[in-house]
Amino acid sequence: KQEVTQIPAALSVPEGENLVLNCSFTDSAIYNLQWFRQDPGKGLTSLLLIQSSQREQTSGRLNASLDKSSGRSTLYIAASQPGDSATYLCAVPLTGGYQKVTFGIGTKLQVIP
Amino acid sequence: GAGVSQSPSNKVTEKGKDVELRCDPISGHTALYWYRQSLGQGLEFLIYFQGNSAPDKSGLPSDRFSAERTGGSVSTLTIQRTQQEDSAVYLCASSPRLGTGELFFGEGSRLTVL
Repeated sequence: KQEVTQIPAALSVPEGENLVLNCSFTDSAIYNLQWFRQDPGKGLTSLLLIQSSQREQTSGRLNASLDKSSGRSTLYIAASQPGDSATYLCAVPLTGGYQKVTFGIGTKLQVIP
Repeated sequence: GAGVSQSPSNKVTEKGKDVELRCDPISGHTALYWYRQSLGQGLEFLIYFQGNSAPDKSGLPSDRFSAERTGGSVSTLTIQRTQQEDSAVYLCASSPRLGTGELFFGEGSRLTVL
């Protein structure tokens, strides 16, 4: 059974700081890893998808890395802005004929102006 | 449509009533997932469809919960004899095809059982 842990559970930083969110998983036989953000009362918005053969993906101020062997992924946010305030979740589908996707509980980020 | 569409966005019902929640996935997406998110909790897997088939129903909390998908498109999650503990946001996601794993979520249906 895949278990996904996200640390920290909550984070509060001043605007402009660079920050790192962590996601760890117990089963390294993953197909890919996807990072999402969720605003209060909303659905999940996809940020980055890293295929299992990749080491990292970048989109604007976001960079996600993947280390399958150690069961870890990090989401790096550069020059944080108040609009980045949200809950960030990672999702990890296992390989195989059926992709049961396991989510972490998320990191709640608050960027203070 | 351009994205995953869910309806209703909000539903308030009385304990014991039946409710139906609808998900319209992105056109052409063959995989469809239902998740439940209770207040302050993570996402709880409910059921997965590949086409019209549901190979994994293991997440359905009880026999009061059922889901179907027709025409490889729209899915309906039905909760019979609702209980207060069913109050949550029900999220639907679709994926282009089995194998990519990339999920696209709807905005969710918030269910409140009084």
